[in-house]
This record gives sequence, C-alpha cells and structure tokens, in this order.
Amino acid sequence: QVQLQESGPGLVKPSQTLSLTCTVSGGSISSGGYYWSWIRQPAGKGLEWIGRIYTSGSTNYNPSLKSRVTISVDTSKNQFSLKLSSVTAADTALYYCARHAMTGTHFFDYWGQGTLVTVSS
Amino acid sequence: SSELTQDPAVSVALGQTVRITCQGDSLRDYYASWYQQKPGQAPVLVIYGENNRPSGIPDRFSGSTSGNTASLTITGAQAEDEADYYCNSRDSRGNHPFGGGTKLTVL
Repeated sequence: QVQLQESGPGLVKPSQTLSLTCTVSGGSISSGGYYWSWIRQPAGKGLEWIGRIYTSGSTNYNPSLKSRVTISVDTSKNQFSLKLSSVTAADTALYYCARHAMTGTHFFDYWGQGTLVTVSS
Repeated sequence: SSELTQDPAVSVALGQTVRITCQGDSLRDYYASWYQQKPGQAPVLVIYGENNRPSGIPDRFSGSTSGNTASLTITGAQAEDEADYYCNSRDSRGNHPFGGGTKLTVL
C-alpha cells in the first residue's frame, strides 16, 4: 500500500519561500507510470493543482504559479519536494502531495493527509 | 481552455439517483477523474478513465462523458455519500486543473 506524507514548516513569513517535502513509502518513487504532484486547498475552498514531476526530473506547473514554483525529486530518499517563492497570505492553504497515474488516463490515486501552511508575519 | 466548471451544490433524496456534472473543452480529448472529499479528510479517487472504480469504491458510483461534459452518477445515494466532489482532467499543455467542486447534500 503506497503512502505519502507531507512535512515542512507550518508557518512561513510573507515574501519568503515555502518548502515542503513528500515522503513516499510502500513503493518506489522511481517506478514507471507515475508522476508525483502537489495540490493545495485554501480553507473552505476548492482544490488547486500546483504541479507535477516525473522521476526523470521533467516538470509541469500550473501557469498561474509557474513563476514561483519549483518541484524536485530525490529518488535516493524516495521523496519529492515543493518550493514556492515570494509567498503571500493567499498562499495559506492545506498542501497535499499525491501520486499521479499516467497510464493512458490521468488520475491521483494516492494522497497524503495534507499539511497546513500559514503565511503570516 | 483548461477550465472545468461544476455546479456549486446539488441535493438528492436518500436512495435516489443524482448526477454531478463537469464541463470543459479539454473533456472532448481527455477523460475526467472524480474525487470525493469529506470534511477534514483528504480527497479520495472514486472514478477514473472511461468508467473505472478503484478497489473499495461502491458500484453505485459511475462515470460517463458526452462531448465536453463529464458526469459522476450516484445510483441510490446513501447518507455517507454526502461530501464535496471534484472533477479533474488534463489539458493539451500538460496541466491538470480541478473543477470548482460540487457540494452534495443527501436529504
């Protein structure tokens, strides 16, 4: 059973960089057929896809966040990470990592429990 | 356009059938996937591809697509189906937008 767990600071100051890591267990992050994605959800609002990475390092980012987002992968640690720069209060949200299947159709089949990040001074 | 549009809220009487829809140009080329989210919980995949259910998802959940509209149908809605439902798809540029979500109330 694949499990994902987000980790990182719960509080980030405005204009700084938000950094989160997702640790994958129960399977190798290098196994073929999967991207690894970050998704966020402001309190009381809907889901927003942030971006995805393949183990080759290939990435796709939400155009609305592209200038501030970097997603990277560390296959030796079975982890992938999110960096979001120049944060504002609008970036306060529950951040999820998810496995993103890409075998013919695309879907997020395993999710972490989410980690709350608050942007505040 | 990569936008996906959902009705904000839908209600259904207990045991009846309800359809939740998702509209977007990308759905003409790519299947939607559907996610159920209950308060305080992470989203759960309920339908993917043409009409596939992950293990553990009841067969009262089904999916379909016609033109630019994807639908999630719950046949015989149960009280435990009350939740927010989100659609997702990909677009030609490799982005994966979510719909705005539909709050399902079971009466």
